[in-house]
Amino acid sequence: GAVVSQHPSWVICKSGTSVKIECRSLDFQATTMFWYRQFPKQSLMLMATSNEGSKATYEQGVEKDKFLINHASLTLSTLTVTSAHPEDSSFYICSASPTGVYGYTFGSGTRLTVV
Amino acid sequence: GIQVEQSPPDLILQEGANSTLRCNFSDSVNNLQWFHQNPWGQLINLFYIPSGTKQNGRLSATTVATERYSLLYISSSQTTDSGVYFCAVEQGDMRFGAGTRLTVKP
Repeated sequence: GAVVSQHPSWVICKSGTSVKIECRSLDFQATTMFWYRQFPKQSLMLMATSNEGSKATYEQGVEKDKFLINHASLTLSTLTVTSAHPEDSSFYICSASPTGVYGYTFGSGTRLTVV
Repeated sequence: GIQVEQSPPDLILQEGANSTLRCNFSDSVNNLQWFHQNPWGQLINLFYIPSGTKQNGRLSATTVATERYSLLYISSSQTTDSGVYFCAVEQGDMRFGAGTRLTVKP
């Protein structure tokens, strides 16, 4: 149980275009999901907390107009990178937790390359 | 915010050796997890361990919540153990340490 699916696994896009990444909880409902970004050889940094039915909360320094988060259902959160630039190239990972008993489960990540 | 420190940052072992990875955190936490990140980026959950000791095969972990640290033990290391090990703590959201990069040589 407690599976989080993330799609796509990798994407290459042109500078200036937008990219949408999906995060789904397959066997549980998640009122809250989290989005992380990881640059090469660095740790995972929390970008934002996605709340079902309400606005996401962003960490300091993360541009909310650039990284649009939508959590329209209890099983789906999306992250849209708008007007992507090469510096947005990174590994993006989402996570969620069904309860406090099992901890947090992470998606397989999306490797974004902006050319 | 909470600080999570992992040591050592890098570790090189010969196959068959044992190792201990440490995670210190600066405040009380609801949850602590150890992850192994494979070369493809997938985070593999090793332990959910807010306190106490757990074992899973060659791996075991101990968290002493009152002293704000956790240890991950790897015994009889194998080349497939190579990768980055992260400690993450939760206070409403999960925060990660910088990781320990483990290389196991044959």
